[in-house]
Amino acid sequence: AQTVTQSQPEMSVQEAETVTLSCTYDTSESDYYLFWYKQPPSRQMILVIRQEAYKQQNATENRFSVNFQKAAKSFSLKISDSQLGDAAMYFCAYTSGTYKYIFGTGTRLKVLA
Amino acid sequence: GAGVSQSPRYKVTKRGQDVALRCDPISGHVSLYWYRQALGQGPEFLTYFNYEAQQDKSGLPNDRFSAERPEGSISTLTIQRTEQRDSAMYRCASSSIGTSFGTDTQYFGPGTRLTVL
Repeated sequence: AQTVTQSQPEMSVQEAETVTLSCTYDTSESDYYLFWYKQPPSRQMILVIRQEAYKQQNATENRFSVNFQKAAKSFSLKISDSQLGDAAMYFCAYTSGTYKYIFGTGTRLKVLA
Repeated sequence: GAGVSQSPRYKVTKRGQDVALRCDPISGHVSLYWYRQALGQGPEFLTYFNYEAQQDKSGLPNDRFSAERPEGSISTLTIQRTEQRDSAMYRCASSSIGTSFGTDTQYFGPGTRLTVL
């Protein structure tokens, strides 16, 4: 069965600094999709970034980028120039190309002024 | 609409009562999903609709839970004879294409926080 593991329950970063959130997954599939979602205090679920496993190039969205290591089954999120508004729970999610997303347990990011 | 909407945002009910949670997907989105999120956890899949057809309900915990999407747009998740263990955030998501075309990104609604007393 596919699993997603986020081993960092909580992380802190100084405003304007860079932080990396870790995510590992387990699958026997060769084609799949990975996502990072942000859940601010409002408890919305906001898509941050998406990565297709067949693409070797790491996805980027403005200050957000990923380090996708397919062989290691690792999918980390890097947030550059951290802002107070980045404070939230971050969930890593996996899908094998069907409709079920499998989520990790989340990492709470605190941004210190 | 601009995004997925859900109502009510908060629901408090007494044990044994039935509740109905509503999801209004992004206009034109073919696929609709229900997830349940316990406190401190990530969302867990409950059920999936492609248009009005319920394609998978394997995540529904038991037969007290049911969902429908009769006209392929708005969906209702119903929990009968609620129990305290049903307390959670219930999230709806939608995506623009069916799974036969591959994975499309799911966009989530704000959720309904259900509390069963």
